Amino acid sequence: GQNIDQPTEMTATEGAIVQINCTYQTSGFNGLFWYQQHAGEAPTFLSYNVLDGLEEKGRFSSFLSRSKGYSYLLLKELQMKDSASYLCAVRDGLGDYKLSFGAGTTVTVRA
Amino acid sequence: ETGVTQSPTHLIKTRGQQVTLRCSSQSGHNTVSWYQQALGQGPQFIFQYYREEENGRGNFPPRFSGLQFPNYSSELNVNALELDDSALYLCASSSINSPLHFGNGTRLTVT
Repeated sequence: GQNIDQPTEMTATEGAIVQINCTYQTSGFNGLFWYQQHAGEAPTFLSYNVLDGLEEKGRFSSFLSRSKGYSYLLLKELQMKDSASYLCAVRDGLGDYKLSFGAGTTVTVRA
Repeated sequence: ETGVTQSPTHLIKTRGQQVTLRCSSQSGHNTVSWYQQALGQGPQFIFQYYREEENGRGNFPPRFSGLQFPNYSSELNVNALELDDSALYLCASSSINSPLHFGNGTRLTVT
């Protein structure tokens, strides 16, 4: 089966940096995604990694190591609006768009 | 650009009843997926439709079924509802080389 692990909760101060780790063991690998989900809202796409290395998009960066089954999402210059759940998801097939999600990491940003 | 829209937003049903949830894909997207998200968990893949046919399915029983229409909108049908079916049901649309775009979901409560 698919196994995707990420911490349950993290707390950080406004303006700081937080790193959310994700480890995965899946039957296949065709990309890793990070989504942000505010309470009561839809998950929104943040980043996508399919090759090893770092992808940077503004204040958010995501890293992937396929050999280690490991990724992280880095949030810089935290803002109060960044308080949300962050979901790590792996696409394991080529023919469909099935994503296997972790349970999510709830990040709380404090003033 | 119109995003993914789902209806209804909330629904209360009794155990044993049947329910139909609806989804309109984002314009330009030809693939639709359905996910079930229990409280405090990540979304779980139910199935995916492409060109009006199911082309991927997760570990859900046959009483979960779906349809995709020529305009790429979709329905999720659940028969013989059980208490454990209470969850947020998310529809997501995509096309080649695009990430999943989620709707705000339908909150289903089974009593």
